[in-house]
Amino acid sequence: QQPVQSPQAVILREGEDAVINCSSSKALYSVHWYRQKHGEAPVFLMILLKGGEQKGHEKISASFNEKKQQSSLYLTASQLSYSGTYFCGTEERGTGNQFYFGTGTSLTVIP
Amino acid sequence: DSGVTQTPKHLITATGQRVTLRCSPRSGDLSVYWYQQSLDQGLQFLIQYYNGEERAKGNILERFSAQQFPDLHSELNLSSLELGDSALYFCASSVGGARIQETQYFGPGTRLLVL
Repeated sequence: QQPVQSPQAVILREGEDAVINCSSSKALYSVHWYRQKHGEAPVFLMILLKGGEQKGHEKISASFNEKKQQSSLYLTASQLSYSGTYFCGTEERGTGNQFYFGTGTSLTVIP
Repeated sequence: DSGVTQTPKHLITATGQRVTLRCSPRSGDLSVYWYQQSLDQGLQFLIQYYNGEERAKGNILERFSAQQFPDLHSELNLSSLELGDSALYFCASSVGGARIQETQYFGPGTRLLVL
């Protein structure tokens, strides 16, 4: 089942914060986050494997609420380089490694 | 540069034809994943191979098949091509592959256009 991301698109000014949500109707084993710039391949950001786990580095972090089958990506003090489309990817429990990408969130950071 | 290579970069072909896309994983990576990205369906997981064996299958059509060779490179074969198969095809690799819990490194993709 394809996870649903929200918002679909967001425009920020440099220095502002953003939260991107990823929600699944299925029990999840892990959540991955990727960023893709236009015309380029997706780039891995992080994986969350345990319920409640929060990972991050520098100004990008994420949390995983296993009970709610939700994950959120937090971007703080956004930079121009953060612009791109963010995808979550979910691995569902009990489905033999089935992996689904979310609908994507377009993030644009303006000066 | 992720270290994953894909050939060709671009491919233009006609409906009904068959094409082969090639992927070489990063040195030391045992898993290869194939993804399709199209405007209407977004990014979709097709299939995963780990050390030569199929490990996971996603939304891969019966007209499509893949394999991973002893040297760990992989090929995705697309046959009886339809207009709707036009898309960007990505390959990714990871070190392990017991589950899809690994950091995946994506290649630059092959853009397929079916006319």
